[in-house]
Amino acid sequence: EVQLVESGGGLVQPGGSLRLSCAASGFSVRTNYMSWVRQAPGRGLEWVSVIYSGGTSYSADSVKGRFTISRDISNNTLYLQMNSLRTDDTAFYYCARNLGDPRDYWGQGTLVTVSS
Amino acid sequence: SSELTQDPAVSVALGQTVRITCQGDTLRSYYASWYQQKPGQAPVLVIYGDNNRPSGVPDRFSGSNSGYTASLTITGAQADDEADYYCNSRDTSGNYNYVFGTGTKVTVL
Repeated sequence: EVQLVESGGGLVQPGGSLRLSCAASGFSVRTNYMSWVRQAPGRGLEWVSVIYSGGTSYSADSVKGRFTISRDISNNTLYLQMNSLRTDDTAFYYCARNLGDPRDYWGQGTLVTVSS
Repeated sequence: SSELTQDPAVSVALGQTVRITCQGDTLRSYYASWYQQKPGQAPVLVIYGDNNRPSGVPDRFSGSNSGYTASLTITGAQADDEADYYCNSRDTSGNYNYVFGTGTKVTVL
C-alpha cells in the first residue's frame, strides 16, 4: 500500500530552521518524482519544490536559496530543509508523488508555524 | 513566473452541471490537471493530462483545454462534490516548475 507520512513540523521563530521529512512506503522515492506543496491556513495551494528520479531539483522563486529538497534512498524518505524562515512560510506542507500524473499521491501534511 | 486564474466561487444545484475555468498563458503549452480538496484533507487528483480521469474518479468529472483556458466540468453534481478545486500546470518560466491556480470553492445547493 502506498503511504506518505510527513513529520517535522512545529513552531519556529523567524530566521530559524526546520527540516521536514516524508517517509514513503509501497514505492521507491528513487524512481518517482517527488514534490513539496504548501498551503497557508485558509489559502490556496503553492508549489514549493520538486526532485526528479535522476536527482535534479527545482524550487519556487519564493523559497529559492532558503529551502532545499533532498531524498535518502536507503531510508526511502524525502526531506525539505527550510532555513531563514519567515512568517509567510507558515503553512501546511504536503509531500506528493508524481504531481499531475496518474500515479499522483499526497501525504496528509505537517503544519509549520513561524512566529515569535 | 506563470499565473493561473480561477473564479473564487461557484454554486450549482444538486444534479445540475457546473463548469470551472482556469486561465493562464502556460496552458497554451502544457497540460492541465485538477485537484479536489475537502476541508481538513489533502488534495486529490481528479483530472490529469487535460482530460483524463485517474482510476476511481467518477465519470461525472471531465476536463478540457482550449489553450489559455482549461475547464473542469461536473455533470450531475452531487453533495459530495462540494469542495475547493485547483488547477495545476507547468510554469513557463521554468519547464520543471509547477504552478497552481487560485482555487474555486464549489457549493452544491
